[in-house]
Amino acid sequence: DVKVTQSSRYLVKRTGEKVFLECVQDMDHENMFWYRQDPGLGLRLIYFSYDVKMKEKGDIPEGYSVSREKKERFSLILESASTNQTSMYLCASSSRRQSSYEQYFGPGTRLTVT
Amino acid sequence: AQKITQTQPGMFVQEKEAVTLDCTYDTSDPSYGLFWYKQPSSGEMIFLIYQGSYDQQNATEGRYSLNFQKARKSANLVISASQLGDSAMYFCAMREGYGQNFVFGPGTRLSVLP
Repeated sequence: DVKVTQSSRYLVKRTGEKVFLECVQDMDHENMFWYRQDPGLGLRLIYFSYDVKMKEKGDIPEGYSVSREKKERFSLILESASTNQTSMYLCASSSRRQSSYEQYFGPGTRLTVT
Repeated sequence: AQKITQTQPGMFVQEKEAVTLDCTYDTSDPSYGLFWYKQPSSGEMIFLIYQGSYDQQNATEGRYSLNFQKARKSANLVISASQLGDSAMYFCAMREGYGQNFVFGPGTRLSVLP
């Protein structure tokens, strides 16, 4: 079974703090993704990575950065958290070996910035 | 322009009845994939079903089937014999060409009534 884990289910941070969200997958997937989910907007792609040390901007990268130093781990960084970054953050992974490129998701981190 | 449209923000269905959740998509790429995910209140995204643009048959997975109408660009999810545990958010998503990124719709909240 594919397992994608995220470091926290719930997180409360103050405005201006630096926030790290960690994601780990155990299926040797090449691709990893970070989304944010807001009511009525579905999931929007923040950043993705096709390989170690590689990263690409998604649709809403402003205010975020990422790091992928190891294949299994993809970190999302909020350099200076703001209240409009209060949201649900979902990590996903997929493999190029699978023809559908189905994405497997972690349980999500609900981040509140006060 | 929205690439994935889900026109039903909320749906109700009686237990044991069938329900159809609508999804229309927009792409000019002849090769694409369509996905449905379920998100219960726990937050985790669960993959339900996949349809490739070149697949001749409609996809089926247990009680889930995908009504794929290519000319209409629709990919509706049909759930037969609804169960209380089917109450959740349902997201339609598309992967275009040989890219590995997904675009998600805004979701439909399904409530199954006893």
